[in-house]
Amino acid sequence: EDQVTQSPEALRLQEGESSSLNCSYTVSGLRGLFWYRQDPGKGPEFLFTLYSAGEEKEKERLKATLTKKESFLHITAPKPEDSATYLCAVQGGGAQKLVFGQGTRLTINP
Amino acid sequence: NAGVTQTPKFQVLKTGQSMTLQCAQDMNHEYMSWYRQDPGMGLRLIHYSVGAGITDQGEVPNGYNVSRSTTEDFPLRLLSAAPSQTSVYFCASSYSRWDRGFGEQFFGPGTRLTVL
Repeated sequence: EDQVTQSPEALRLQEGESSSLNCSYTVSGLRGLFWYRQDPGKGPEFLFTLYSAGEEKEKERLKATLTKKESFLHITAPKPEDSATYLCAVQGGGAQKLVFGQGTRLTINP
Repeated sequence: NAGVTQTPKFQVLKTGQSMTLQCAQDMNHEYMSWYRQDPGMGLRLIHYSVGAGITDQGEVPNGYNVSRSTTEDFPLRLLSAAPSQTSVYFCASSYSRWDRGFGEQFFGPGTRLTVL
């Protein structure tokens, strides 16, 4: 059974203080690992898809990386507007569905 | 494009009542899905559809029915509401690439359901 575990559950940073969020997964034949951002009261918003170990993608202050067991979402010099819940999800080989982690609630203090 | 739309935004039901949550997308996506989101449990898949006329169960399908008569619409029916179905419900759609799986999923704004 595909599983996704995100850590930490919550993270509070000062503006400009860089850090990383972790997504550990077990899946039979990874077809894709997805990162989403969710603001309070809204639906998740797509950030990145990673397909194979070693792949990296960047968008503004965010950089996602992938190994065979986990993915990291690195946030560099964050701003208060980066505060949100970040969700990780995987699609396993042959599966026509995504399995989501519980999310990491990120708060950036000015 | 409106993207993925959901109605209603809020709903209060009494135990035993039935209702349908509406979901529509205008992006011609083959794949559509319903999730529920509860505190501390992330998003859990209820039902999904890979195309018109094709549906399948997700992780938590009990108490819910779906149908997909058109590409655009994917309604979720609560047959006899229970307090355990109090949650936020999200509909999502994406294209499907059989060689690489899904593309990005586009989510609707959600329906907040309370069952008394």
